[in-house]
Amino acid sequence: QSALTQPPSASGSPGQSVTISCTGTSSDVGGYKYVSWYRQHPGKAPKLMIYEVSKRPSGVPDRFSGSKSGNTASLTVSGLQAEDEADYYCSAYAGSNMIFGGGTKLTVL
Amino acid sequence: EVQLVESGGGLVQPGGSLRLSCAASGFTFNTYWMTWVRQAPGKGLEWVANIKQDGGEKYYVDSVKGRFTISRDNAKNSLYLQMNSLRVEDTAVYYCARGLFGSFFYWGQGTLVTVSS
Repeated sequence: QSALTQPPSASGSPGQSVTISCTGTSSDVGGYKYVSWYRQHPGKAPKLMIYEVSKRPSGVPDRFSGSKSGNTASLTVSGLQAEDEADYYCSAYAGSNMIFGGGTKLTVL
Repeated sequence: EVQLVESGGGLVQPGGSLRLSCAASGFTFNTYWMTWVRQAPGKGLEWVANIKQDGGEKYYVDSVKGRFTISRDNAKNSLYLQMNSLRVEDTAVYYCARGLFGSFFYWGQGTLVTVSS
């Protein structure tokens, strides 16, 4: 299966909001409630930021929110902070396997 | 504290084999699905394989089917990935992660596998 489609880059100034999209198909993003988002800083392991479309793990600030409409999921980061500069990946359950997006590099200007 | 520690990475020639291990601690290992995810240098994440709590179900990405085998030893709280017939394109950092359906709450630090002649 093909990777989910994410924009390669996104940017915003401190305090602003940014939304990153993740487009799949009815067999993955649109077919299940299992869409997750990860943040990855250089040289580090990914960190789960959103799971099951819109749920936040304990310790993740409410500046991070997720949603889904049809075959497209979105991650919104509000009140941008310097530490938010990182690569962001979406993932979706697709039956017996998993698919990740190609990643979006978020730059905090 | 949940910890996942991978080991076994290294340099191997094309066609060779390598066995990765992931030592788990801080949780009841035999109650969770476990997963391997890889990341080629400068590239994105790729799900590789996952395994059910009792090892009775295993799933693989198409590109590794027939070459890689995921397994676990619940008595040793350990996850494994046996990689055979390695290709240059298998070069990546390999992470073990805890969870299912893509909700991977915990990740190891990764182990680098380099396939090169």
